[in-house]
Amino acid sequence: QKEVEQNSGPLSVPEGAIASLNCTYSDRGSQSFFWYRQYSGKSPELIMFIYSNGDKEDGRFTAQLNKASQYVSLLIRDSQPSDSATYLCAVNRGGGSNYKLTFGKGTLLTVNP
Amino acid sequence: GAVVSQHPSWVICKSGTSVKIECRSLDFQATTMFWYRQFPKQSLMLMATSNEGSKATYEQGVEKDKFLINHASLTLSTLTVTSAHPEDSSFYICSARDRGQATLYGYTFGSGTRLTVV
Repeated sequence: QKEVEQNSGPLSVPEGAIASLNCTYSDRGSQSFFWYRQYSGKSPELIMFIYSNGDKEDGRFTAQLNKASQYVSLLIRDSQPSDSATYLCAVNRGGGSNYKLTFGKGTLLTVNP
Repeated sequence: GAVVSQHPSWVICKSGTSVKIECRSLDFQATTMFWYRQFPKQSLMLMATSNEGSKATYEQGVEKDKFLINHASLTLSTLTVTSAHPEDSSFYICSARDRGQATLYGYTFGSGTRLTVV
């Protein structure tokens, strides 16, 4: 089983719709979870992080975490064409020497005007 | 916000030559630098982790004699690709952990270096 799994997509939504991106992870010791956005040819940029069960909202973005199900998701409301990118889920075990992030393969999102 | 300056942004080199990539943390101290490689349409693959003043820890399958990492200060880390070959052509990205910030806030990525070996 891969450590961090994402549906590679592409996920296509119309402008103004809600885009739902999902991620599962295998390490129950994971403590913090991140969503990065990566435009083609660019480096990733952090959108949100979450470490407590439940929802966390920031503008049009909502991250949801369910540690019991080892599941984290990202909702993008009122999707815009500029949101078209690859979204990377990353997890971190945290503490001691376990600082590295483990990334999923990413989900390609296309928002159609 | 925290900024990591990565240079060069792109480089073309001849097979057999060496290329050095620099990452500088501009407004914070980077205790740990992560070096990633990304092939087209693939995710980020961690190559190595370096802590300031220590030898880098390489991921399985990454040749440490080929990918030389130096992290001599809290603001500068370098990756040197030695004797580069066409299969080393990739997008190399660094990511820094801020000494003054908890891990749960994530890390700052450099802008990446597109390496093409001809």
